Amino acid sequence: EPEVTQTPSHQVTQMGQEVILRCVPISNHLYFYWYRQILGQKVEFLVSFYNNEISEKSEIFDDQFSVERPDGSNFTLKIRSTKLEDSAMYFCASSGSGPRDSPLHFGNGTRLTVT
Amino acid sequence: AQSVTQLGSHVSVSEGALVLLRCNYSSSVPPYLFWYVQYPNQGLQLLLKYTSAATLVKGINGFEAEFKKSETSFHLTKPSAHMSDAAEYFCAVSLASSGYSTLTFGKGTMLLVSP
Repeated sequence: EPEVTQTPSHQVTQMGQEVILRCVPISNHLYFYWYRQILGQKVEFLVSFYNNEISEKSEIFDDQFSVERPDGSNFTLKIRSTKLEDSAMYFCASSGSGPRDSPLHFGNGTRLTVT
Repeated sequence: AQSVTQLGSHVSVSEGALVLLRCNYSSSVPPYLFWYVQYPNQGLQLLLKYTSAATLVKGINGFEAEFKKSETSFHLTKPSAHMSDAAEYFCAVSLASSGYSTLTFGKGTMLLVSP
């Protein structure tokens, strides 16, 4: 069964550094998402992406964050200057259409640790 | 305001006992509702979803959930717990206010199954 893959599984970075989290969504999916889960807290929506542009973003997704689909297969999340509070598990997801009509398929996540 | 509330961060049951995980939503317009499961070191996997069809929804692994509009609830049940059901379970909603385009997750309930 096709799956969403995320790399790396664990990323450690120093405060102030830039990080790029990578995701390969399921190939025929059209909607892409990033969520994050701070340890012990709930899964939070960051951003959704459709037709090569952001369709919706949360308050968390400020100017430090950006997303890109550079080559038609990868979907990346960039954090320009990491802060300690960015430490979390970041999940990428994709769906064939919106979550009403088709389920989100999640990757296994990238654990980001900012020191 | 919380869109979805899960009662109990941890639920413990014995193998073979009934599983009941509670989820309540707050929305004037009935949302679409989902249950996801997260096994250790894995991503989120869809168990079942309600999208305004039958109010009793059957999912994978013997789980089911019933949408009750009068109680604004979507509790997850399984008649007989198995050791392999031990995982974290997340209730999620997709709201009309967002065009049903994103998911908002509850804080999750960790299900512990003892022999």
